[in-house]
Parts: sequence; structure tokens; C-alpha cells
Amino acid sequence: AQSVTQLGSHVSVSEGALVLLRCNYSSSVPPYLFWYVQYPNQGLQLLLKYTSAATLVKGINGFEAEFKKSETSFHLTKPSAHMSDAAEYFCAVSFTGANSKLTFGKGITLSVRP
Amino acid sequence: NAGVTQTPKFRILKIGQSMTLQCTQDMNHNYMYWYRQDPGMGLKLIYYSVGAGITDKGEVPNGYNVSRSTTEDFPLRLELAAPSQTSVYFCASSYWGTSTDTQYFGPGTRLTVL
Repeated sequence: AQSVTQLGSHVSVSEGALVLLRCNYSSSVPPYLFWYVQYPNQGLQLLLKYTSAATLVKGINGFEAEFKKSETSFHLTKPSAHMSDAAEYFCAVSFTGANSKLTFGKGITLSVRP
Repeated sequence: NAGVTQTPKFRILKIGQSMTLQCTQDMNHNYMYWYRQDPGMGLKLIYYSVGAGITDKGEVPNGYNVSRSTTEDFPLRLELAAPSQTSVYFCASSYWGTSTDTQYFGPGTRLTVL
């Protein structure tokens, strides 16, 4: 079955440090991959998505992710963390097909220390 | 545009009570979705709709019902509330409903069943 795995539930970084949030997928067909962010007491919003065009995808707020087929990964990075980046981040996957729906990972909470 | 709106924001129910969670979108999107979010579990799809009058089950539909009489509205009905339905519920919408389409989320309804 197709799925995404987000290892760990919590990541803490210092302000200005590199942010790296990991996402691995399992799939027998080419996937489409998404990162959504949920700020406290809000709904989810799209950060970026991979739709089989460029493997390096740039999103909002300085985030980017690289699709690596050989590693079945789509890790999210940001060179310099800001306090406002504190949120929960979800990786999600879908696949080609009329009935394909988004499957979400369990989410990772990012904390940013001053 | 208000986007996707949900009411109420919070609700406490007693076991066996029923209620309807409201969801409205003003983006003229064809597809609408209901998810539940439980801590450490990500989001699970309850029901979705591909247009007015057409609905289908998602991953966790038991205990819920939906209807879609208009493009804008997609209410979720809980008939006999159970403690297992304590969760945060998110409504989302998308225009095309394709595998690469972005979903837009409402702010959520936090439901507690005691």
C-alpha cells in the first residue's frame, strides 16, 4: 500500500539554524508529494508540491523540498529558521488515478528556540 | 473570498447526542472533503464529494453521514456521538479534485464527546 512516513514527532531548532523535516514515501507507482503546514489553531495550508516537473520544488516562506526517487524521499528544508516557522508540518502523497486521494503522514511539530 | 468556513469552532457533546458540522466554501470548487485529525495520527479522510448530489466514503466513514445539495455547502452529520469521535474535524475543498490539485482547508471544529 502507498504511504508516507515522517520519522519522529517533534523537531527543535534554534532561530537562524537549518530546518530539515524528513518525509519518505512507499509507492509502486510515481507519486505526487505535498507539504502542508498547520499553524496553531488554524487549518492546513499548502507549502509546496511535487508534480513530476522539477525535482527541486520551492514553496512559500523560504521552504523547499527535493524529490529523490532513489531514496524515496521528499525532505523539507529551510536554510534559516524563524520564530514564525513554529508549526506542525504534514507530508502527504497522492497518485495518478481517478480515485486517488491525499494520504497524510502523522505530522512533525517544529519548535524554534530564540 | 472567505475561502472555507466551518462552524462551530468548538463543541462538547454527550454520548448518544447528534450534531451537524457545517462547511461552506465560496471558491466555486467542485470537490469537498471531510477529515478528522487525531494527535499523532495525521489526517484521515471521512467522506468526500465530487459535486452537488454526489458523495463517497473515505477511509473512516463509520458513524458519519454527509450530503451535498449545493456546490457551496458540505455538512457532516454525527448521529449517535461516541467518545471515539472526539477529534478535530477539517473541511477542505479543491477545484479539479485531481491527484495534483491543491486542497484548501477550513480552520477546523474541535469536538469533544463525553
